[in-house]
Amino acid sequence: GAVVSQHPSRVICKSGTSVKIECRSLDFQATTMFWYRQFPKKSLMLMATSNEGSKATYEQGVEKDKFLINHASLTLSTLTVTSAHPEDSSFYICSARETSNEKLFFGSGTQLSVL
Amino acid sequence: AQSVAQPEDQVNVAEGNPLTVKCTYSVSGNPYLFWYVQYPNRGLQFLLKYITGDNLVKGSYGFEAEFNKSQTSFHLKKPSALVSDSALYFCAVRLLYGGATNKLIFGTGTLLAVQP
Repeated sequence: GAVVSQHPSRVICKSGTSVKIECRSLDFQATTMFWYRQFPKKSLMLMATSNEGSKATYEQGVEKDKFLINHASLTLSTLTVTSAHPEDSSFYICSARETSNEKLFFGSGTQLSVL
Repeated sequence: AQSVAQPEDQVNVAEGNPLTVKCTYSVSGNPYLFWYVQYPNRGLQFLLKYITGDNLVKGSYGFEAEFNKSQTSFHLKKPSALVSDSALYFCAVRLLYGGATNKLIFGTGTLLAVQP
């Protein structure tokens, strides 16, 4: 089946630094990718919708200047957490929608810990 | 507002017993409904979906879900639980925006614990 690779799986960084998370569709093209944040009490929050070649659409309350999303190709979207702070510590999950059939596949997530 | 709710934070069931994980939704129009499962430190895996047709949908690992329009519910069920079914389960609804990019909205998740 289709695979979405998310990297890194775990990252620890100092407060004030930036962290980039990659989401790749390995064997299919994905015009649209989604970025979610999962909180400790497990609810999944949609952060933004990433469209190849255009600006991402952010959900209400999500700071676009803090969570930079780039979707430069049909197989890669990146989320950069800029000037990370401890409150940004969370589990981030990406998903990719296969262009040909609109099926949705999820990455394995990235655990971000900001010290 | 369009939303999906999972009223139970956790469901406990003994191995071999039937299980039900509840989900209700609130959407305008006809809903597209999904169930996903998440194992520890992993991404979500698709279980099943309802778009149209038969109200009883069968999915992976022996799971099924019943779409009930009058009760706006889409409960996940399995006749006989396995310990390996223990995981976090998410109900989701796909929002449609007339040709624009669709997005998936998740419930808060239900932790299923199957005791041996």
